Amino acid sequence: AQKITQTQPGMFVQEKEAVTLDCTYDTSDPSYGLFWYKQPSSGEMIFLIYQGSYDQQNATEGRYSLNFQKARKSANLVISASQLGDSAMYFCAMRDRGGSNYKLTFGKGTLLTVNP
Amino acid sequence: DTEVTQTPKHLVMGMTNKKSLKCEQHMGHRAMYWYKQKAKKPPELMFVYSYEKLSINESVPSRFSPECPNSSLLNLHLHALQPEDSALYLCASSQEAGLNQPQHFGDGTRLSIL
Repeated sequence: AQKITQTQPGMFVQEKEAVTLDCTYDTSDPSYGLFWYKQPSSGEMIFLIYQGSYDQQNATEGRYSLNFQKARKSANLVISASQLGDSAMYFCAMRDRGGSNYKLTFGKGTLLTVNP
Repeated sequence: DTEVTQTPKHLVMGMTNKKSLKCEQHMGHRAMYWYKQKAKKPPELMFVYSYEKLSINESVPSRFSPECPNSSLLNLHLHALQPEDSALYLCASSQEAGLNQPQHFGDGTRLSIL
């Protein structure tokens, strides 16, 4: 069974607007961590934001926020005031104790294009 | 600039060659990782080192041989690779191999097998 699902293969947004990238996850472990990474076409994976399963508040990092809905098992990334440099592939990932030694499992990714 | 440095950035090698990929971090992290990423796919975990000991090998073929000489360095030795091994190889590190530890990635090595 797929542990991380990103249903949007591609998304388009106008510069300066906000955009939400969807992510749902599946785990029976009460302890887990959720991560979002950005990968520009140059290849480096950039860590954006982290949400722990016991965190009471949604994580925020600058223009990035994570809309964490635990009961729905969703961890959507919200990017506010999009910039041209935000165009990249975005991966949602989860780490739990279900696999071996807290393996980080990635979704298939969403390709975000910011239009001027 | 990332705090995880990978060399070389690009590598082209024949199927009979022996080469090594190198990864270095100076953040004091005690867990280091190798991932393989094919085009338009998410990264796939290959190996995990925790406190310089191999803790995970995701059934990787023996033509890939990891090595962790010290807490700052991680190597991936390559021998007799196949064309399907052409990919982006990413190194990552984290404080420890825990649930809440974000992994910080290098820029990767783009490997092409002729």
